[in-house]
Amino acid sequence: QSVLTQPPSVSGAPGQRVAISCTGSSSNIGANFNVHWYQQLPGTAPKLLIYGNNNRPSGVPDRFSGSRSGPSASLAITGLQAEDEADYYCQSYDSSLSGVVFGGGTKLTVL
Amino acid sequence: DVQLVESGGGLVQPGGSLRLSCATSGFSFRSYEMNWVRQAPGKGLEWVSYISSSGDTIYYADSVKGRFTISRDNAQSSLYLQMNSLRAEDTAIYYCAREGVLGGSGAFYAFDIWGQGTVVTASS
Repeated sequence: QSVLTQPPSVSGAPGQRVAISCTGSSSNIGANFNVHWYQQLPGTAPKLLIYGNNNRPSGVPDRFSGSRSGPSASLAITGLQAEDEADYYCQSYDSSLSGVVFGGGTKLTVL
Repeated sequence: DVQLVESGGGLVQPGGSLRLSCATSGFSFRSYEMNWVRQAPGKGLEWVSYISSSGDTIYYADSVKGRFTISRDNAQSSLYLQMNSLRAEDTAIYYCAREGVLGGSGAFYAFDIWGQGTVVTASS
């Protein structure tokens, strides 16, 4: 069981909006530690998608956005495209474990 | 181009050892903190270990503490992971990841560059 909880899967049609939740606790997201999101396309290494809760690295389309509230965070993808089909992971820091923690990952299917 | 290239993976019997390497280029390696992250077959990402830019500060996940040792050679721009007493559950793709300092004020630390990974299989 991952310290950060994500839904195993989400899906949406092209052009639609989807959101992926990431639920933590008082020792990680709830303790105000930043949340980062990674995209992992099939057969490739993870890629940084969102850092510091809601910031996009250069080159990441503004269709991707992040937010954080209390012990949870969320990744939103608008205008879904076929190329968005991938696994998405949230990441934060946990003070009880004294280390980085990841969510279990969410598989996005574009219908 | 910024690059991280892992090597050293392979098939090893349970109880055996392996040493992974991560060769870096395209950035000032000595200025960055580094990490190892692994991914078991069909599973999610698991953070394994962290090392500060100078090598003075090191952290491990509980699952590998006492068995794995992270190190770095700033002169060679390389990161290492010595893995001893390997178990079947250590079977995974091992990625090295740079911890970038991001944001205008440098307020955020995230894994901004990843290698392609090296496969470790612990099986008899």
